[in-house]
Amino acid sequence: SQQGEEDPQALSIQEGENATMNCSYKTSINNLQWYRQNSGRGLVHLILIRSNEREKHSGRLRVTLDTSKKSSSLLITASRAADTASYFCATDASGAQKLVFGQGTRLTINP
Amino acid sequence: DGGITQSPKYLFRKEGQNVTLSCEQNLNHDAMYWYRQDPGQGLRLIYYSQIVNDFQKGDIAEGYSVSREKKESFPLTVTSAQKNPTAFYLCASSILSGSEAFFGQGTRLTVV
Repeated sequence: SQQGEEDPQALSIQEGENATMNCSYKTSINNLQWYRQNSGRGLVHLILIRSNEREKHSGRLRVTLDTSKKSSSLLITASRAADTASYFCATDASGAQKLVFGQGTRLTINP
Repeated sequence: DGGITQSPKYLFRKEGQNVTLSCEQNLNHDAMYWYRQDPGQGLRLIYYSQIVNDFQKGDIAEGYSVSREKKESFPLTVTSAQKNPTAFYLCASSILSGSEAFFGQGTRLTVV
């Protein structure tokens, strides 16, 4: 079963604009992570936010976590063509000791 | 040069055959995972292992088998019981279960 569900499934924006992706999950978690996947490649870890954190930044990335709503958002500011990829959230559910991924958001940055 | 290596990159299987996908890591990670990804879809967990000589079924374990005899190796066998094996298979490892995962480059399996 998929723990996380990303929204939207696909997003297309112009270079320089900000991109926001959302993730909802079902059970209590220890942490939530965001990953990036270029077409046909493995996933690359972007950022991890723990259940007791509300916001985290890394370069042009900003992640928020609302445990009361069981949701997270990933904001990419000042997007570049190289940001074109699929983005996945993954949750480490409390007590599960495994990493479960959502369906992903396919982001396209138009030059 | 630390990392996680999957081989082969492409694999073709005839119907009725078993095939084994290799996954090796030299990161000294305890946890390892196998995921399946179908076109345009997310990752579905097949099997995971938190420690050597122990592993658990994920959400779609039917038709697959694994072993974890060494810390650095977690091979996945796709058996003939797996009715629709054509997919992209991804192996990952993390220092602890549920922490930041490092992924291999994947194996694309095609049934011919």
